[in-house]
Amino acid sequence: DTGVSQNPRHKITKRGQNVTFRCDPISEHNRLYWYRQTLGQGPEFLTYFQNEAQLEKSRLLSDRFSAERPKGSFSTLEIQRTEQGDSAMYLCASSLERSGRPYEQYFGPGTRLTVT
Amino acid sequence: DQQVKQNSPSLSVQEGRISILNCDYTNSMFDYFLWYKKYPAEGPTFLISISSIKDKNEDGRFTVFLNKSAKHLSLHIVPSQPGDSAVYFCAARPGAQKLVFGQGTRLTINP
Repeated sequence: DTGVSQNPRHKITKRGQNVTFRCDPISEHNRLYWYRQTLGQGPEFLTYFQNEAQLEKSRLLSDRFSAERPKGSFSTLEIQRTEQGDSAMYLCASSLERSGRPYEQYFGPGTRLTVT
Repeated sequence: DQQVKQNSPSLSVQEGRISILNCDYTNSMFDYFLWYKKYPAEGPTFLISISSIKDKNEDGRFTVFLNKSAKHLSLHIVPSQPGDSAVYFCAARPGAQKLVFGQGTRLTINP
């Protein structure tokens, strides 16, 4: 299966701890997106990369959040000093974008974060 | 500001009948619309999309209709099957950028 993968699938952490999630996109996809989903809501955009360049960050992404995509392959999302409000499903998606033609985004299974 | 709205949180349909899920949007810059299906504990799965230059796109049992003047799109599933029971999200994008999602509609297909 060559879909988007995310690790870990679940993470329980205590308030104040740092956590890091990993996303491996579909191999030929040049764009990688991070979204966050809370109960009863649709996914909300956090940030996205074109290859290794981070092109946009949502205002939802406070300075406690940082994302990287070294070498334009996998990506990591780190949350420092976690708060209970960070509890959510963190979704990664990837797409192949060429010359502005829109391509569908394909999502991974998500990482469910619970902050106690 | 909720730019994409799905006003029905849930919908129940008899197996074999047509399911119609609705979505409204406010941003005129949206030029591409997508529907995703989500099962519990899984990520959203892409279903079907439509460009703003079209008013209909069909793929098997799934058809998406776009009414640009009303800023409204709908997903028709016919015939509905038990495996279609899931949460359906409408999403839109302004050019080659991030997706903006609606809140989702939980579809239940009754045997």
